[in-house]
Amino acid sequence: GENVEQHPSTLSVQEGDSAVIKCTYSDSASNYFPWYKQELGKGPQLIIDIRSNVGEKKDQRIAVTLNKTAKHFSLHITETQPEDSAVYFCAARGPGAGNMLTFGGGTRLMVKP
Amino acid sequence: EPEVTQTPSHQVTQMGQEVILRCVPISNHLYFYWYRQILGQKVEFLVSFYNNEISEKSEIFDDQFSVERPDGSNFTLKIRSTKLEDSAMYFCASSSGIGETQYFGPGTRLLVL
Repeated sequence: GENVEQHPSTLSVQEGDSAVIKCTYSDSASNYFPWYKQELGKGPQLIIDIRSNVGEKKDQRIAVTLNKTAKHFSLHITETQPEDSAVYFCAARGPGAGNMLTFGGGTRLMVKP
Repeated sequence: EPEVTQTPSHQVTQMGQEVILRCVPISNHLYFYWYRQILGQKVEFLVSFYNNEISEKSEIFDDQFSVERPDGSNFTLKIRSTKLEDSAMYFCASSSGIGETQYFGPGTRLLVL
């Protein structure tokens, strides 16, 4: 089955700096890659996603890039703010009937004011 | 903004007892999911449900687990005889269609003693 690895597990940046989180996946048939933000005590909230027919997608300070050949995708957050502090999860969805998401291990991002 | 809701937020039970976790998916969604997150570990897929039947399930979803949509709004996860290792945060999610974004609820923290 699909396996998603995520790095780094923790990331500390100064407010205003950029943060980059990287994920690799194993199943070349995976076609959808969402990123979720999880704040303490809450469920994962979708922040951006990308499908396999697109190489890059941007939404204000957040961007995601996808390299299908290398089977990796990355989350880029620019001009980080303290409220960006959270755990970020990448995920991949394969073409199976059940729409199952396979998650990476998570990255705890800390933005220091 | 529509959201997935879950009850209870916390549940403590004795090993061997049955528990039912409840979810109200977003009202026009057709696909429903359960995931779990053991403390400090990845979010793991349990099961997906569409048209009143299971579409896909993981190895974790053994005979002790069952899901049901008892009426037009609720989606439940039942664990028949809980084990210590079932202690986790359980997330319900829903999507409007296959391949569409999955929206997660806030989770139920289950503690089995």
